[in-house]
Amino acid sequence: QKEVEQNSGPLSVPEGAIASLNCTYSDRVSQSFFWYRQYSGKSPELIMSIYSNGDKEDGRFTAQLNKASQYVSLLIRDSQPSDSATYLCAVTLTGANSKLTFGKGITLSVRP
Amino acid sequence: SAVISQKPSRDICQRGTSLTIQCQVDSQVTMMFWYRQQPGQSLTLIATANQGSEATYESGFVIDKFPISRPNLTFSTLTVSNMSPEDSSIYLCSANRGQWETQYFGPGTRLLVL
Repeated sequence: QKEVEQNSGPLSVPEGAIASLNCTYSDRVSQSFFWYRQYSGKSPELIMSIYSNGDKEDGRFTAQLNKASQYVSLLIRDSQPSDSATYLCAVTLTGANSKLTFGKGITLSVRP
Repeated sequence: SAVISQKPSRDICQRGTSLTIQCQVDSQVTMMFWYRQQPGQSLTLIATANQGSEATYESGFVIDKFPISRPNLTFSTLTVSNMSPEDSSIYLCSANRGQWETQYFGPGTRLLVL
C-alpha cells in the first residue's frame, strides 16, 4: 500500500513566521513530489514541485526533498494571512501512467 | 499550466438519478483523471481516462457506477449513476502537462444528493 503521510494539524503560526509542513511517503520509487494549496471551497492549486534531493526555492516557498529518508517538506517564509489554507502533499511515479497519491492535508492558519 | 473547466459547477440531485460532469482542457493532453473529495477529506482517485481506451478504475470504484468517456484529447465526462446521499462530494478532473507530467485541476463540481 503506497501511502503519503502528513503530520497532524491544524498548524497555527503568527504572521511573519516560518511555517513548516512535513510529509513522508512509503514508496521508495516515488519520483515526483508536489505541494498543492487548497483554499476552502476551491480546487487544489499547484504551488511547488520537486524531483531531486535538496532544496528548491520559489519566492517565499521552499520545498525540501530527502529521498533517503523518504520525506518532503514545505517551508513558507514570512507567512501571510493569505497563506491560510489546506496544504496537500502528493507523490507520483514518473511515467505516462503517473497517478498522484495525496496525503490527508494539513490546515495552516496564519494569525494576523 | 493548463486551463481546465468543468460543468456543472454544482448541482443538487435526487437519489436514484444520474449526473454527467464534463471536463474540458484548453489543449491536448494524454492523461485525464477524475477524483472525489468528500467533505473534510483529501482527494481520492476514481479513475484514469485515456483517449481511445477504457478508463482504468481504482480499487473501490466500478464502471457501472462511474462510467467515463474520453472521446478526444481535450475532453472527458464522468457520470455518477444511481446516486445516493453518500455520493455527495466534490468531483474534480485533472490533466497532466509538461515534462514532469504535473497535474493541474479543474474547479470541481459540488454535488449534493438528497
